[in-house]
Amino acid sequence: GAVVSQHPSWVICKSGTSVKIECRSLDFQATTMFWYRQFPKQSLMLMATSNEGSKATYEQGVEKDKFLINHASLTLSTLTVTSAHPEDSSFYICSARDGGRSLREQYFGPGTRLTVT
Amino acid sequence: ELKVEQNPLFLSMQEGKNYTIYCNYSTTSDRLYWYRQDPGKSLESLFVLLSNGAVKQEGRLMASLDTKARLSTLHITAAVHDLSATYFCAVDTYEKLTFGTGTRLTIIP
Repeated sequence: GAVVSQHPSWVICKSGTSVKIECRSLDFQATTMFWYRQFPKQSLMLMATSNEGSKATYEQGVEKDKFLINHASLTLSTLTVTSAHPEDSSFYICSARDGGRSLREQYFGPGTRLTVT
Repeated sequence: ELKVEQNPLFLSMQEGKNYTIYCNYSTTSDRLYWYRQDPGKSLESLFVLLSNGAVKQEGRLMASLDTKARLSTLHITAAVHDLSATYFCAVDTYEKLTFGTGTRLTIIP
């Protein structure tokens, strides 16, 4: 149980275009989802927290107009990188909390590698 | 701002040896996680430590938590090559997880 999927697993896009990444909880309802970014050989940095049906909360320094997050259902959150540039190239990982359990544990997706050329 | 520091950042050790990775954090928390990450992959959950004095063991890995000292350790016993990976601790402060800097472990035959 507690499986999180991401799609696509990797994507290459041209500078200036937008790309959407999906994060799905497959066997539980995710009341809260998180988006992380990881640059090569670095740690995970939280970008934003999203709760189903409400606006995402962005961490300091993360541009909310550039990284659009939509958590429209209890099993799906999307991250759209708008007007992508090479410096946005990174490994994006989502996680989700199971709203049906009392534990706070986050379940992580397999990640999406974004390369902007 | 919560800071989570791991040391060492890099660890190269011979097979069969023991070593400990340390995770220090700067604020009160009753919950800490350890994860493993292989190159190009996402995180694999290793341990959830839920209270002061918690100790958990799985195979050659053992994790402990001292909430008063704000310190967690990940001990590796008789290392084998398969343990080569990057290990992260993460501190849970209800709203979010804050990850440590990571320790890149390389086991040398």
